[in-house]
Amino acid sequence: GAVVSQHPSRVICKSGTSVKIECRSLDFQATTMFWYRQFPKQSLMLMATSNEGSKATYEQGVEKDKFLINHASLTLSTLTVTSAHPEDSSFYICSARATAEQYFGPGTRLTVT
Amino acid sequence: AQSVTQPDIHITVSEGASLELRCNYSYGATPYLFWYVQSPGQGLQLLLKYFSGDTLVQGIKGFEAEFKRSQSSFNLRKPSVHWSDAAEYFCAVGAGSNTGKLIFGQGTTLQVKP
Repeated sequence: GAVVSQHPSRVICKSGTSVKIECRSLDFQATTMFWYRQFPKQSLMLMATSNEGSKATYEQGVEKDKFLINHASLTLSTLTVTSAHPEDSSFYICSARATAEQYFGPGTRLTVT
Repeated sequence: AQSVTQPDIHITVSEGASLELRCNYSYGATPYLFWYVQSPGQGLQLLLKYFSGDTLVQGIKGFEAEFKRSQSSFNLRKPSVHWSDAAEYFCAVGAGSNTGKLIFGQGTTLQVKP
């Protein structure tokens, strides 16, 4: 089946630094990838939709300058959390869309100290 | 606005017992509905989906769900729960006709007693 990977699975960074999270579709091409944020014991909240070769579309309330998304190829999208702060600590999940199905990555746990 | 409600935050059932997880949605048009399961360290896995047609949908791992338009519900069921079914379950609705965007419910944590 379709596999989506995320790297890293866990990252700890200091406040004020930037962190990049990669999302890859391993065995299929994804024209669209999605980035979600999940707080403990809560639902997934869509942050942005990423289309290959074009600018990401951000959901209301998501700071585009803080959460930079790049979708440079049909198999790779990256999320960069810039100038991270403790309130950015969360579980970030990506998904990749192939035809009518979405396949989810295992998530990245970000802790900002 | 579209929304999904899972009224039960936490459910505990005994192994071998039947299970029903509730999901209610709010959506103006015919919804695309999904159930996902999330286990620690793993990505969300699609259990089943409803786009159109037969309102009783069969999924993987012995799960099924029934779409009831009159009740705006899409409840997930399994006749006999296994200990390995303990996980977080999310109901989701497709937010646009072809956008692929999903709106998730709050999730239900399933605990299975031996």
